[in-house]
Amino acid sequence: DSGVTQTPKHLITATGQRVTLRCSPRSGDLSVYWYQQSLDQGLQFLIQYYNGEERAKGNILERFSAQQFPDLHSELNLSSLELGDSALYFCASSVGPSSGNTIYFGEGSWLTVV
Amino acid sequence: SQQGEEDPQALSIQEGENATMNCSYKTSINNLQWYRQNSGRGLVHLILIRSNEREKHSGRLRVTLDTSKKSSSLLITASRAADTASYFCATDAGANNLFFGTGTRLTVIP
Repeated sequence: DSGVTQTPKHLITATGQRVTLRCSPRSGDLSVYWYQQSLDQGLQFLIQYYNGEERAKGNILERFSAQQFPDLHSELNLSSLELGDSALYFCASSVGPSSGNTIYFGEGSWLTVV
Repeated sequence: SQQGEEDPQALSIQEGENATMNCSYKTSINNLQWYRQNSGRGLVHLILIRSNEREKHSGRLRVTLDTSKKSSSLLITASRAADTASYFCATDAGANNLFFGTGTRLTVIP
């Protein structure tokens, strides 16, 4: 158990809909990351937050948005869903944003868009 | 893309044998990390090697890094059935944002 909690574990939704994925980082971790894992794109970095502020963006679509709240939990919002958005979405956390800080991954949220 | 590539894509060995997987990447890095993923589960951090290091050991794991060739290898010695998983290399260019390789699927046959 990494200590990173993600909900929901699985969800199925229709194209065009919007979903919110939730993440609680490990106790004491201030940095939160979101990754997407799909069969065709592999594991992709989406976005990083540190202590409530966006720190870095990766391959995150404009239809997707995220935030980190004052209690450090984070949410990833996915809207206007397409079939290609079906993937495993990981949240991860680390103590801080410095290079080399171990990043701990949650078990992921499986999203299926039908 | 910063994403690396791993070789082989799949590897099947007998229990007790050694497993070697390779990773190539494209950009300058601060460090390179290896992660393991059991089917459909979260990623587990195995080992980190910094750009100024050439080799690192952790238990049955040995990692090498050649920054001139932009490549790394992970050796798992005396493999066990429980080592069956996918292994990913991930590069960090300095912002602690990891860019993952395509992964090697390792199967250890009891």
